[in-house]
Amino acid sequence: DAGVTQSPTHLIKTRGQHVTLRCSPISGHKSVSWYQQVLGQGPQFIFQYYEKEERGRGNFPDRFSARQFPNYSSELNVNALLLGDSALYLCASSKNRGSYNEQFFGPGTRLTVL
Amino acid sequence: AQRVTQPEKLLSVFKGAPVELKCNYSYSGSPELFWYVQYSRQRLQLLLRHISRESIKGFTADLNKGETSFHLKKPFAQEEDSAMYYCALTPSGANSKLTFGKGITLSVRP
Repeated sequence: DAGVTQSPTHLIKTRGQHVTLRCSPISGHKSVSWYQQVLGQGPQFIFQYYEKEERGRGNFPDRFSARQFPNYSSELNVNALLLGDSALYLCASSKNRGSYNEQFFGPGTRLTVL
Repeated sequence: AQRVTQPEKLLSVFKGAPVELKCNYSYSGSPELFWYVQYSRQRLQLLLRHISRESIKGFTADLNKGETSFHLKKPFAQEEDSAMYYCALTPSGANSKLTFGKGITLSVRP
């Protein structure tokens, strides 16, 4: 198993544009979480999805949205991009959604907003 | 609200020296505490969690509820321990929202 995979690896957008980031969890994992990591900071929780439903949301504006598909892969969408959205976006998967489930992280997508 | 504080950004030690990476947390309920590590050009990975009470790669961490701390310790640092370390917290229960500290870079010199 390749572990959690994310695409694309890097992305450059301009202000006001929209972006879609993709994540494929480890086979058998049903929960996917998204994190934003700004340079010099730790990852910050954005969303958790389990069985295709949103189970948790961090303190992010409505410009951020996500969904999970029947195969448990997930997309993170960000509308009306701002310069401050430039960050590394991490996806993490776990077997289930409880706190006792280890989260496995992907390599991230580096988003640059110009 | 939950918060994780890692007061230092960088710790540089010589090989064989003891290491202590500090972590303090703020949470009113019952938290689960973790240490994550990111080696150069690798993805973020779990190092250890307080409920397992294990020693991983020689590292240990004790949860001190009185001081709300979860410091990571190793008696003899190795060069391969050089990495970025993040302390994280999640409320015990049905969800697994992780709150991370800002991280600390550990540099072990030969």
